[in-house]
Amino acid sequence: EVQLVESGGGLVQPGGSVRLSCAVSGFTFSTFWMTYVRQAPGKGLEWVANINEDGSEKEYVDSVKGRFTISRDNTKNSLYLQMNSLRVEDTAVYYCVRYSSRQRAFDSWGQGALVTVSS
Amino acid sequence: DIVMTQSPLSLPVTPGEPAFISCRSSQSLLHTNGYNYLDWYLQKPGQSPKLLIYLGSYRASGAPDRFSGSGSGTDFTLKISRVEAEDAGVYYCMQPLQNPITFGQGTRLEIK
Repeated sequence: EVQLVESGGGLVQPGGSVRLSCAVSGFTFSTFWMTYVRQAPGKGLEWVANINEDGSEKEYVDSVKGRFTISRDNTKNSLYLQMNSLRVEDTAVYYCVRYSSRQRAFDSWGQGALVTVSS
Repeated sequence: DIVMTQSPLSLPVTPGEPAFISCRSSQSLLHTNGYNYLDWYLQKPGQSPKLLIYLGSYRASGAPDRFSGSGSGTDFTLKISRVEAEDAGVYYCMQPLQNPITFGQGTRLEIK
């Protein structure tokens, strides 16, 4: 069974930092692109970043470029999102998501980690 | 960026009746490989989104066969042939053709 389990969310002050982790199991992690998608409270879905199978390619939405860094450790079956210079508008549930290259779709989602940026 | 526009934004439906959700993209989602890069997701209350339809018309594993996707280019439709109570939630279309990957605003389906 495919599982993606996020951790690391919480309350952080504006300008602060937080690191999200996503532990995966049930599939060969090193053969999939991975993604973070976020959802602000009561709002829709927003793609944040993705990373290719070996971590050599990364893409970000403009609003987080230079502040967020996506990374992975294939030896630990883990995905990470380092979030710096946080803003109030970054408050959201962050989902760790697997991208299926065959289906061209996000085929498995984690339960999400809530990050609240507030003073 | 490719803008995805869904309609309606709210859809009340009686169980057993069909439902249609439209999704339009600001650019064609038809890839040179002949596939339309358009997916549909359902987010039930309190849950993570789940994939329903990929590449415009292919039903994802576990998605009931009452769900179907159609369309090409810039105009797409998700059809639920006979709505059931468990279909309540927010439906999103998404284009994975180019970065930034973008979603529609979401359509809230409510059961009458």
